[in-house]
Amino acid sequence: DIQVTQSPSSLSASVGDRVTITCRASQGTASFLAWFQHKPGKVPRLLIYDASTLQSGVPSRFSGSGSGTDFTLTISSLQPEDVATYYCQKYINSPLTFGGGTKVEIK
Amino acid sequence: EVQVLESGGELIQPGGSLRLSCTTSGFTFDTYAMSWVRQAPGKGLEWVASIGGTGAYIYYADSVKGRFTISRDNSANILYLQMNSLRVEDTALYYCARGLGTENYYMAVWGRGTTVTVSS
Repeated sequence: DIQVTQSPSSLSASVGDRVTITCRASQGTASFLAWFQHKPGKVPRLLIYDASTLQSGVPSRFSGSGSGTDFTLTISSLQPEDVATYYCQKYINSPLTFGGGTKVEIK
Repeated sequence: EVQVLESGGELIQPGGSLRLSCTTSGFTFDTYAMSWVRQAPGKGLEWVASIGGTGAYIYYADSVKGRFTISRDNSANILYLQMNSLRVEDTALYYCARGLGTENYYMAVWGRGTTVTVSS
């Protein structure tokens, strides 16, 4: 099975900072990768699919890039409402493994 | 409005069985893949199982294979998860999620979840 590793596991940044989260797959996943935002007590939210396609209604400060084994989620200007845990998930085949998550906090 | 609503979670003893339901509305159910995802207390998201729109394609996580069965009733717009031989480690909030298409499993719409607690 393809393993999915996210880094860092947590980060603290200031409002307005550019934030980057990395997801690495143990084998190639083409562009079949999604990113989710999960706020405490809320429902997970799909941000990005097919590695770089922004889901409808998601602010443009979120972007995704990468293909094969290395992927990146970027928040161009961190906002207070972006405090959450972010997960990547691979979709090329079963199992549809999630990464371990990255907790984003405001400094 | 697109909605998915989970139900059926409860406190159950190890070894027991439980069936979760996900009632949907606001979209043409049989044209979307559906999935179950869980989150154990203090842990991250864990994919459990997925099923294509027609029910022809079904996938399971290794941790539940042989114990859980995902199914759907396209006439009633309901997704199910039959959970047998439950273990303490199955304790979690279980989410139902709708995909982006018939065999497109990207999880675009999520319910609020139903809690399963396995304990003696």
